[in-house]
Amino acid sequence: DTGVSQNPRHKITKRGQNVTFRCDPISEHNRLYWYRQTLGQGPEFLTYFQNEAQLEKSRLLSDRFSAERPKGSFSTLEIQRTEQGDSAMYLCASSLVSSRYEQYFGPGTRLTVT
Amino acid sequence: QQQVKQSPQSLIVQKGGISIINCAYENTAFDYFPWYQQFPGKGPALLIAIRPDVSEKKEGRFTISFNKSAKQFSLHIMDSQPGDSATYFCAGGNSGGYQKVTFGIGTKLQVIP
Repeated sequence: DTGVSQNPRHKITKRGQNVTFRCDPISEHNRLYWYRQTLGQGPEFLTYFQNEAQLEKSRLLSDRFSAERPKGSFSTLEIQRTEQGDSAMYLCASSLVSSRYEQYFGPGTRLTVT
Repeated sequence: QQQVKQSPQSLIVQKGGISIINCAYENTAFDYFPWYQQFPGKGPALLIAIRPDVSEKKEGRFTISFNKSAKQFSLHIMDSQPGDSATYFCAGGNSGGYQKVTFGIGTKLQVIP
């Protein structure tokens, strides 16, 4: 399977714990995006990488959130001191710089904070 | 601020009928308008997209109509099939920037036999 993969697919954690999600983009895709999707809503942009550089962060990305993309390959999204409001689907997408709007999404990681 | 407004939020159509989803945008910086299809447990998948210099684009049973002056666009699914049952998102993006996509709230389509 050469699509975008995300792990884990599901994560249940207790409030206050830290969690980390991983995204493996389509190989050679130099752009990588993180989105958050809550029930009944469309995905909302969180942050964007071009290669290893994080170029934009949404105001939705509080100080408890951090994302990295070492070596411009896979990316991780960490949430520290999770809150119940963090419960959502976290989606990763990747694209090529040369592709104007074809973002390919992964299946997402569903986070439940109890 | 909801930059892309989408309606209806749910839609039930009989097999063979036409499904119509409408969207309106506020951000005049958007220069492309993709539609995504999402099945339960899956990420959104690009279905079809249009640029504002085109008033209509058709791909198979899917057609986008675009009205730049009204800042509105719509998706028509002709001959709707049960396999089309999914959530559809309209969106706006700026191809000159980081190409992040701003999504509408989504329309849950159910096609009944």
